[in-house]
Amino acid sequence: DAKTTQPNSMESNEEEPVHLPCNHSTISGTDYIHWYRQLPSQGPEYVIHGLTSNVNNRMASLAIAEDRKSSTLILHRATLRDAAVYYCILREQGGSEKLVFGKGTKLTVNP
Amino acid sequence: NAGVTQTPKFQVLKTGQSMTLQCAQDMNHEYMSWYRQDPGMGLRLIHYSVGAGITDQGEVPNGYNVSRSTTEDFPLRLLSAAPSQTSVYFCASSYSGGPGYGYTFGSGTRLTVV
Repeated sequence: DAKTTQPNSMESNEEEPVHLPCNHSTISGTDYIHWYRQLPSQGPEYVIHGLTSNVNNRMASLAIAEDRKSSTLILHRATLRDAAVYYCILREQGGSEKLVFGKGTKLTVNP
Repeated sequence: NAGVTQTPKFQVLKTGQSMTLQCAQDMNHEYMSWYRQDPGMGLRLIHYSVGAGITDQGEVPNGYNVSRSTTEDFPLRLLSAAPSQTSVYFCASSYSGGPGYGYTFGSGTRLTVV
């Protein structure tokens, strides 16, 4: 599985945008970029995924660099409920079904 | 839509006891899987199933059994509980195990083996 690198922690203020970066310099052409988050004492929650183009859904936006070696998860207006550990995961086309969770980025949202 | 339902939420077992962790989904997902999460180690795949009647081992299958008799249910059986199996267990499902689909996780079962 290709490796991803994320900052250990980030801090944001409530109602401000948050940009969570992820580096994946060894990504292959068929790897999908997935983001999950895990709130305290809960199971992981799917956030968004993409392949090449930027993606938007009701939870967040995913901005993928043109060379695909990095991506950014964007929370447009952080709320206290967004405080969680965010995981950036690569999924290979035709590869293993398992999700490989790294250490992720712990996001703290200040009121 | 209940999503993925796991029962029980908490369980304490004595060493050597057996038990079954239940997982049910109502989304007609073909793919289901079990993960365990230990402090500082992230989630690790125990077993998975790509459809009814088909199961396979993940990276940490020892001490666990699974079966998939229906699309909806994927129970995880601990054969003879050991303290090393103290963990939080998550069940996950997906329309397909492929990379173009996200996974839905249950809320977890916190298991303590004494």
